[in-house]
Amino acid sequence: GAVVSQHPSRVICKSGTSVKIECRSLDFQATTMFWYRQFPKKSLMLMATSNEGSKATYEQGVEKDKFLINHASLTLSTLTVTSAHPEDSSFYICSARASHRGPFQETQYFGPGTRLLVL
Amino acid sequence: RKEVEQDPGPFNVPEGATVAFNCTYSNSASQSFFWYRQDCRKEPKLLMSVYSSGNEDGRFTAQLNRASQYISLLIRDSKLSDSATYLCVVNIPHSGAGSYQLTFGKGTKLSVIP
Repeated sequence: GAVVSQHPSRVICKSGTSVKIECRSLDFQATTMFWYRQFPKKSLMLMATSNEGSKATYEQGVEKDKFLINHASLTLSTLTVTSAHPEDSSFYICSARASHRGPFQETQYFGPGTRLLVL
Repeated sequence: RKEVEQDPGPFNVPEGATVAFNCTYSNSASQSFFWYRQDCRKEPKLLMSVYSSGNEDGRFTAQLNRASQYISLLIRDSKLSDSATYLCVVNIPHSGAGSYQLTFGKGTKLSVIP
């Protein structure tokens, strides 16, 4: 099946630093990628939707200046957590949707996630 | 009312038992439905799609009742390896982000006991 990779898988950083997370679709082209965040024992919450070549669409309550998303190619999207603080510590998961089928027949493939700990 | 609601569990069942999970969704315009499985500290993985006619995949049976906006998952002959959190996922129309988005329930935790 389709594979989505994420890097890094885990990162620990000091408060105030910026962290970049990469998401790649390895064997298909993804015109749309999604970024989710999951806090312990909570459901996945969509942060933003990223379409290749255009600006990301952020969900209500997600600061676009804090969570910078770039989707420069059909196989790569990046999420940069700027000036990270301890409350940003979470499990960040990307997901990619293939481009060749109608929206209700497509499956989203999830990356393995990035666990961020901000000290 | 939450968009996708599930009983959080946990469901603790012995090996070989049959267990059923239920889920309700609030948006009647939802178009497609899924069950995902998420292991501890891992990403969600698609278990199966859910169709109006009901569908079965081995020991797993999914049902959809559009009138009641209700989805179910039945697991027969539970295995230890079935222990995980099962997420009910609904595709809902989303004007801000494109045509639709996946909305996740909080999940139902299953522990299969030897």
